[in-house]
Amino acid sequence: GAGVSQSPSNKVTEKGKDVELRCDPISGHTALYWYRQSLGQGLEFLIYFQGNSAPDKSGLPSDRFSAERTGGSVSTLTIQRTQQEDSAVYLCASSLVEGFTYGYTFGSGTRLTVV
Amino acid sequence: DAKTTQPPSMDCAEGRAANLPCNHSTISGNEYVYWYRQIHSQGPQYIIHGLKNNETNEMASLIITEDRKSSTLILPHATLRDTAVYYCIVRAVLNTGFQKLVFGTGTRLLVSP
Repeated sequence: GAGVSQSPSNKVTEKGKDVELRCDPISGHTALYWYRQSLGQGLEFLIYFQGNSAPDKSGLPSDRFSAERTGGSVSTLTIQRTQQEDSAVYLCASSLVEGFTYGYTFGSGTRLTVV
Repeated sequence: DAKTTQPPSMDCAEGRAANLPCNHSTISGNEYVYWYRQIHSQGPQYIIHGLKNNETNEMASLIITEDRKSSTLILPHATLRDTAVYYCIVRAVLNTGFQKLVFGTGTRLLVSP
């Protein structure tokens, strides 16, 4: 597609429920990243995928968070047993390769609200 | 990644140049300076990057001091649509391995009529 697409754009869920957030990167981009942004805060790195390599999960805040990337394209971020502190905007980005030259292209994010 | 320091907020009149400073006094020789911006309710947008030479593109100019310890992003004719949070980031380019972009709190630029 022309840009990074994320769905849903907004998600309200009850505490304790599981949620899945989807990211469609730009076609042909091999690198994919998930960040989250809490209200009024900067961006917090969560996880990174590069091609078929094992993902870098160093930013995942707890074992309730997981992500997968199928076929080197679409990625799903799953949060199990959601807590109120999980409320944030979850941003996905992709880049042609992992490197500065092509920059990161971000989607518009999924706003998650846990009530 | 080297730490960057930016003023929390700046104001600019529409049509005037906006000069956004960034200090990165601990930058290493292999680290580039990147600028991104985030308009309300959108994901960050890449603006420009540089190593040591000044750079210009259709969006902005980047001026890096000779000692590379600071830089300035210049929006030559700011418009209301340039109101956003501007992030200055330094990061090394590695031949192998991954190094994430680390976003600080940035500078909130308000462009007024």
